[in-house]
Amino acid sequence: QKEVEQNSGPLSVPEGAIASLNCTYSDRGSQSFFWYRQYSGKSPELIMFIYSNGDKEDGRFTAQLNKASQYVSLLIRDSQPSDSATYLCAVNKFYFGSGTKLNVKP
Amino acid sequence: KAGVTQTPRYLIKTRGQQVTLSCSPISGHRSVSWYQQTPGQGLQFLFEYFSETQRNKGNFPGRFSGRQFSNSRSEMNVSTLELGDSALYLCASSIDRSYGYTFGSGTRLTVV
Repeated sequence: QKEVEQNSGPLSVPEGAIASLNCTYSDRGSQSFFWYRQYSGKSPELIMFIYSNGDKEDGRFTAQLNKASQYVSLLIRDSQPSDSATYLCAVNKFYFGSGTKLNVKP
Repeated sequence: KAGVTQTPRYLIKTRGQQVTLSCSPISGHRSVSWYQQTPGQGLQFLFEYFSETQRNKGNFPGRFSGRQFSNSRSEMNVSTLELGDSALYLCASSIDRSYGYTFGSGTRLTVV
């Protein structure tokens, strides 16, 4: 069983702050890691993916991967109320965590 | 560019019946995967098809099956429906497994 764990939250941050979302996984052989955002009542939408150890930046989003520690994180800089959603971590494309609900307070 | 299209959007079925859900991927996308989403279990992977072949399968009973056609359109079938099959069924497509998925709007299945 491939486990992907996320803190369900909610994680509350003030507008303009950095939101840090974390995900751990059990399959040490995992190769690909994805972050999705899901607004209430909507389908997940891809934010970014990462394959290699280290950081990958895309606009206000940074994904961080540490395969030795088996965790992947997503940083959202300058958080906006429109970032309020559930963030899903996916490992090896198919296996999703239960998501972390983020609330950005104006 | 058209997105992933799932039909129907809503379905109500009786326990014991069977149901077929349809998914049309984004043009050019050959990988199609299916997921079941429930409040309690989150997004659960059902199966993935690529060029008409099932490449990966999740941990669901054999009542759940699927197929992919030569035009990459995919169908998912659930036989002998149970109350616990009530869920949002999401289809997603991708160019290949190296890229993330684009999800459709889903089919909301209610089993009564």
